[in-house]
Amino acid sequence: AQSVTQPDIHITVSEGASLELRCNYSYGATPYLFWYVQSPGQGLQLLLKYFSGDTLVQGIKGFEAEFKRSQSSFNLRKPSVHWSDAAEYFCAVGLYSSASKIIFGSGTRLSIRP
Amino acid sequence: EAGVAQSPRYKIIEKRQSVAFWCNPISGHATLYWYQQILGQGPKLLIQFQNNGVVDDSQLPKDRFSAERLKGVDSTLKIQPAKLEDSAVYLCASSLGFGQQETQYFGPGTRLLVL
Repeated sequence: AQSVTQPDIHITVSEGASLELRCNYSYGATPYLFWYVQSPGQGLQLLLKYFSGDTLVQGIKGFEAEFKRSQSSFNLRKPSVHWSDAAEYFCAVGLYSSASKIIFGSGTRLSIRP
Repeated sequence: EAGVAQSPRYKIIEKRQSVAFWCNPISGHATLYWYQQILGQGPKLLIQFQNNGVVDDSQLPKDRFSAERLKGVDSTLKIQPAKLEDSAVYLCASSLGFGQQETQYFGPGTRLLVL
């Protein structure tokens, strides 16, 4: 069955350090790929999405993600994190059997060390 | 532009009781989604509406959950009777159109605790 995996449950980085959150998916073709962020008490907010074309996607809040077909990965990166980036991050993939459904990974909680 | 509104924000009930959640999507958004997010997991789609018709309810436990979207605007999700395992955050989202490429806008969620 199609799936999306976020191998890191919790990551802590120092403020100002670089960040990379991992996401792997299982799907034969190129799916639609998304990263969402969920701050405490808030709903999910779309950071960026990839459908086709340039494999490096720029998003909001200084985030970017790179689609690597050979590795079935869509990792999220930020060159320098801020304390306000502390949140839960979810990778999601479009379900190939559905025209409209996406499925979410289990999330990675990001903590920022002052 | 107003976002997706949900109420209540929190609800505590005992098992076997019933509960209802309300969602008002962004004005003009045709597609509305209800997700269940259990602690430590990602959101799971329960039901999806396009206007007032159901597109996907394959993951909705229909023996106890029901949802409606009358007039294609706001929506209600009901659980009757509730079980302990229904404790979760229930998220409502909406999108302008239909399809995986559409950006989904999420509400703040309703946190349900079943005792």
